[in-house]
Amino acid sequence: DGGITQSPKYLFRKEGQNVTLSCEQNLNHDAMYWYRQDPGQGLRLIYYSQIVNDFQKGDIAEGYSVSREKKESFPLTVTSAQKNPTAFYLCASSGKGGRNTEAFFGQGTRLTVV
Amino acid sequence: AQSVAQPEDQVNVAEGNPLTVKCTYSVSGNPYLFWYVQYPNRGLQFLLKYITGDNLVKGSYGFEAEFNKSQTSFHLKKPSALVSDSALYFCAVRPPSGNTPLVFGKGTRLSVIA
Repeated sequence: DGGITQSPKYLFRKEGQNVTLSCEQNLNHDAMYWYRQDPGQGLRLIYYSQIVNDFQKGDIAEGYSVSREKKESFPLTVTSAQKNPTAFYLCASSGKGGRNTEAFFGQGTRLTVV
Repeated sequence: AQSVAQPEDQVNVAEGNPLTVKCTYSVSGNPYLFWYVQYPNRGLQFLLKYITGDNLVKGSYGFEAEFNKSQTSFHLKKPSALVSDSALYFCAVRPPSGNTPLVFGKGTRLSVIA
């Protein structure tokens, strides 16, 4: 699991409600990422951050927001604008690059709309 | 833009037989290539990576992968499959510049039958 903690493990959202998924890492990694996983679609990038106080949209950023106020933390908010939020959400982090270039993943949060 | 293709949604193999999970990639320049494994309701676990050097890369749990630049492939292999190898396998790629996000294939489900 590489020192990345995602919480909660399961989350239920009502229609029209915003929810925030937590991601914390103690690996001293500069970069952090949020991916969404749906059956048969692999992992799709939502947002990523390469340094504190900066982040970039990924392929499917609409309906999501993030912040990166601390190096260790990269929370993801699923807003009411996200029309189909039911999915498995994965947070990852990686170091400065070069040979230490693989990403390490948390255990995931399964979000369900009720 | 970089991309990864995993042409097989499902691979079935008998326990004790060799296994291959296929991956082809498209990226500008020399790629960094990765394999990850995912067990049900868990995050992704890093298996191995190719950065440079020897085309045959050895990783965790007896897995290896061969980088073939002319065929733009990075197939995952294991000489003798175990039932416990049954899982979802993802190939990923990133360009060597910077700390950019990994781009993942859609995954291949490996089923090892006793």
